[in-house]
Amino acid sequence: GAGVSQTPSNKVTEKGKYVELRCDPISGHTALYWYRQSLGQGPEFLIYFQGTGAADDSGLPNDRFFAVRPEGSVSTLKIQRTERGDSAVYLCASSYTGYNSPLHFGNGTRLTVT
Amino acid sequence: AQSVTQLGSHVSVSEGALVLLRCNYSSSVPPYLFWYVQYPNQGLQLLLKYTSAATLVKGINGFEAEFKKSETSFHLTKPSAHMSDAAEYFCAVSPDFQQTGANSKLTFGKGITLSVRP
Repeated sequence: GAGVSQTPSNKVTEKGKYVELRCDPISGHTALYWYRQSLGQGPEFLIYFQGTGAADDSGLPNDRFFAVRPEGSVSTLKIQRTERGDSAVYLCASSYTGYNSPLHFGNGTRLTVT
Repeated sequence: AQSVTQLGSHVSVSEGALVLLRCNYSSSVPPYLFWYVQYPNQGLQLLLKYTSAATLVKGINGFEAEFKKSETSFHLTKPSAHMSDAAEYFCAVSPDFQQTGANSKLTFGKGITLSVRP
């Protein structure tokens, strides 16, 4: 079956602009995670959804970052007033329950802020 | 709080040689431990996981890892490296749901790049 899909695969934007990154999880997976991977680093947790609600948003770096999952499936990560330091690969993962079930990762969106 | 330390950023081995990638963890609650692999231009794939059952865990592609609580380690090994094993490897930790009720949020190490020489 289809895996986790992330679009776009690459996004280049200017400093100060607004961007949206999309994640389509595996059908039937209730849990959805966003991670950010900077160059030379491991993925860092941003936010976790269980269904439609954000169960844990402790990894969001500041209030410029926001994510939604209105129907409990597709999720959008939104970044306002982008900064050069936001440049990274943004990874999405989904799992069947979010509790002791493996995470399935998408290929990521590479965001470059110029 | 949980953290993972992967010492060194790059390991190079000859084809057919033993692969050993080190991972040490810190956790205030019983952990689950994972190894993920990332091939160029691909997403993270689960290699294997420890979830409080057997301490020696076998994964895909001939890899295995042993959980040693006394050493807080979860090192990844493979007896004989193949060229196709060249990739980046990440160790990760999450809370043991069965004992903590916490969700599967993963904390990753910085990763180790494995190169395999012909």
